[in-house]
Amino acid sequence: NAGVTQTPKFQVLKTGQSMTLQCAQDMNHNSMYWYRQDPGMGLRLIYYSASEGTTDKGEVPNGYNVSRLNKREFSLRLESAAPSQTSVYFCASSLWAGVPYEQYFGPGTRLTVT
Amino acid sequence: EDQVTQSPEALRLQEGESSSLNCSYTVSGLRGLFWYRQDPGKGPEFLFTLYSAGEEKEKERLKATLTKKESFLHITAPKPEDSATYLCAVQKKSSGDKLTFGTGTRLAVRP
Repeated sequence: NAGVTQTPKFQVLKTGQSMTLQCAQDMNHNSMYWYRQDPGMGLRLIYYSASEGTTDKGEVPNGYNVSRLNKREFSLRLESAAPSQTSVYFCASSLWAGVPYEQYFGPGTRLTVT
Repeated sequence: EDQVTQSPEALRLQEGESSSLNCSYTVSGLRGLFWYRQDPGKGPEFLFTLYSAGEEKEKERLKATLTKKESFLHITAPKPEDSATYLCAVQKKSSGDKLTFGTGTRLAVRP
């Protein structure tokens, strides 16, 4: 099992460019998440998907869109990148069977917007 | 407002010098508290889940405990390979499976 995979690992964008971050999990998990991690701010939830076909905003959704393509895949899109979106982005997944269940994280995408 | 505060921000220990990391939380209706380890350039790795006050869990040199206001991660006789950032997160009963993370404690263990 690969767990949670993310592509790309690194990306440099210019202000105004768009891109999509890809995430896939092979654990048959129901829920998937996108976080950003900034120094001194901790992990902050951008969007999440409790099940296939549903998505909801997290703490910092502005400037992002998501698509839950199927049970395995959850993508994050930046339509018009801004320097404030320079960050490390993590995708995670969990079983979510109605009881506390840990989230498993991918290796991250380091994004720089110039 | 829900808050998760970790202290200290950074901790340097000599190999074998035991210590504790703290995670204080203000959450109404705690469903679970999670501890993660994060190595530089990698994603967080799950360590423990604690569900109720008084619960303890152990894994190698790590032991996590939970009270109604805080959790401790005790590190006994640490080794250099224990160097990492340790994150705690809380899950509320009213928030489904979403987690709220603290900012972490960076631990460095010198040989």
